[in-house]
Amino acid sequence: SQQGEEDPQALSIQEGENATMNCSYKTSINNLQWYRQNSGRGLVHLILIRSNEREKHSGRLRVTLDTSKKSSSLLITASRAADTASYFCAKTMDSNYQLIWGAGTKLIIKP
Amino acid sequence: IAGITQAPTSQILAAGRRMTLRCTQDMRHNAMYWYRQDLGLGLRLIHYSNTAGTTGKGEVPDGYSVSRANTDDFPLTLASAVPSQTSVYFCASSESSGNTIYFGEGSWLTVV
Repeated sequence: SQQGEEDPQALSIQEGENATMNCSYKTSINNLQWYRQNSGRGLVHLILIRSNEREKHSGRLRVTLDTSKKSSSLLITASRAADTASYFCAKTMDSNYQLIWGAGTKLIIKP
Repeated sequence: IAGITQAPTSQILAAGRRMTLRCTQDMRHNAMYWYRQDLGLGLRLIHYSNTAGTTGKGEVPDGYSVSRANTDDFPLTLASAVPSQTSVYFCASSESSGNTIYFGEGSWLTVV
């Protein structure tokens, strides 16, 4: 069974606004990764954050990790219509190294 | 750079038929995976292989088998397809288990 949740399940915002997606988990992790999936395509890796890191940036993306709250957030700043996609977080647990996937957040950017 | 190549891209299959989804990677990654993705659900791991010659069961292995005879290829076989196996299947690889995963573009399978 999948561990943790992603929220919101769906998010619709205006172009130019910031989008925040959250991911929670239940047991200790080794790392947490965010992926993006455009409709009908394979997933593309965005950012990997390790359990001893608190924040990572990549362009307009910012990922934070709070191990005390067992949660992570993905922030997309100054959103664009092309950011419309589903975003997934995946956790690598300490007990093994297989990724545990959330159900994803569907993000729609309105032009 | 090809990355992960899956074939076929899509297939309609009669129930009871045997089907093999092919997957090849050219990154010399040790670990490979097969996932299925159903509408409204995240990815579910079917089988994985941490290195050539070894395989393991994921979350939903029943009705599927895999082999890993070499580093590059990781075929997924449905021995006797059933309608509940209608899904999008993604092959993926990573340098080692737990690291960044690279995905193929998916194989859309419909079992009727």
